Amino acid sequence: SQQGEEDPQALSIQEGENATMNCSYKTSINNLQWYRQNSGRGLVHLILIRSNEREKHSGRLRVTLDTSKKSSSLLITASRAADTASYFCATFPGGGNKLTFGTGTQLKVEL
Amino acid sequence: NAGVTQTPKFQVLKTGQSMTLQCAQDMNHNSMYWYRQDPGMGLRLIYYSASEGTTDKGEVPNGYNVSRLNKREFSLRLESAAPSQTSVYFCASSGTSGRFDEQFFGPGTRLTVL
Repeated sequence: SQQGEEDPQALSIQEGENATMNCSYKTSINNLQWYRQNSGRGLVHLILIRSNEREKHSGRLRVTLDTSKKSSSLLITASRAADTASYFCATFPGGGNKLTFGTGTQLKVEL
Repeated sequence: NAGVTQTPKFQVLKTGQSMTLQCAQDMNHNSMYWYRQDPGMGLRLIYYSASEGTTDKGEVPNGYNVSRLNKREFSLRLESAAPSQTSVYFCASSGTSGRFDEQFFGPGTRLTVL
């Protein structure tokens, strides 16, 4: 079963715009992670946010976590064509030992 | 460092054939994982190995077996392939510091079962 669900399923924006993706999950978590997957490639880890953190930055990425709403968002600022990829959230449930992935958001950044 | 490597990259099998997918990591990680990715389903965990010498079932283990050969290598075996096992298979590894760490993925194996 899927722990995380991303929204929207697909997103198309112009280069230079910001892209926001959301993730909702069902149970309490130890941490939440975001991954990127370019077409035909393996997943690449982007950022990890722990349950006691509310916001984290890494370059053009900003992740927020609201444990009361069981949700997270990933913001990519000043997007580039190279950001075109699928983005997945993944959660480590509290007390669990397996990372569970959502179904992903397909982002397309057009020139 | 090569990171996580997988062989083969592509494979076509007939129903009932068997094969082994190989995975190796050179990051001295304790934990290794096998996932399958199907369209619209995200990644689903097949088996994992928290440390050398241990393996455990994930969400979708039926039809698969695994071997943690040593700390570096973790193989996935399909004993009698079925069309439902057509998928992209990813191996991943994590954790020198703990089991909640980020995971590092290999490039994947595209398997088609006819």
